[in-house]
Amino acid sequence: GAGVSQSPSNKVTEKGKDVELRCDPISGHTALYWYRQSLGQGLEFLIYFQGNSAPDKSGLPSDRFSAERTGGSVSTLTIQRTQQEDSAVYLCASSSQGIAYEQYFGPGTRLTVT
Amino acid sequence: SQQGEEDPQALSIQEGENATMNCSYKTSINNLQWYRQNSGRGLVHLILIRSNEREKHSGRLRVTLDTSKKSSSLLITASRAADTASYFCATDADDYKLSFGAGTTVTVRA
Repeated sequence: GAGVSQSPSNKVTEKGKDVELRCDPISGHTALYWYRQSLGQGLEFLIYFQGNSAPDKSGLPSDRFSAERTGGSVSTLTIQRTQQEDSAVYLCASSSQGIAYEQYFGPGTRLTVT
Repeated sequence: SQQGEEDPQALSIQEGENATMNCSYKTSINNLQWYRQNSGRGLVHLILIRSNEREKHSGRLRVTLDTSKKSSSLLITASRAADTASYFCATDADDYKLSFGAGTTVTVRA
């Protein structure tokens, strides 16, 4: 079956521009996560959506970052006024029920801010 | 902050040899998971071990968990070139967040 998909796979943007990253989770998965991974580093939690509950935004590094999940499915991560330190791979994952279950990751979006 | 820390940071072995990597964490957990990442992109789930389990096997993978030492190990037996990847442990110390370590980079030489 289809896995988690993300688009675009690569994004190069100029400093100060806004970007939108998209995640299509596995159909039926209620939990959706966004992570950020800088070169050679582990994953940094950004935000978590579970069903219709209010999302946990505690991992977002600044108010330039926001995310939405429409209809309990597709999610968009928006970064406003991008900075060079935002350059990283942004990974989306979904899970059938939450933390006690394995997460299925998308291939990621590599963001480069010039 | 990262809950789990993998050791070593990098590991180079000959094809056919075993690879062992360790993960230490700081606070009590419900579960610990291991993931593999190829080429810096998406992660693939390998195995989940619950806090009341001490050892688990999946194919050529063997995972142990010692909650008294707050540590876990991942053993890959009879390594293959395709095992070349970064391996991460992830713990669920918080209610629903997975906390990942920085990973162990494994290189399997032909």
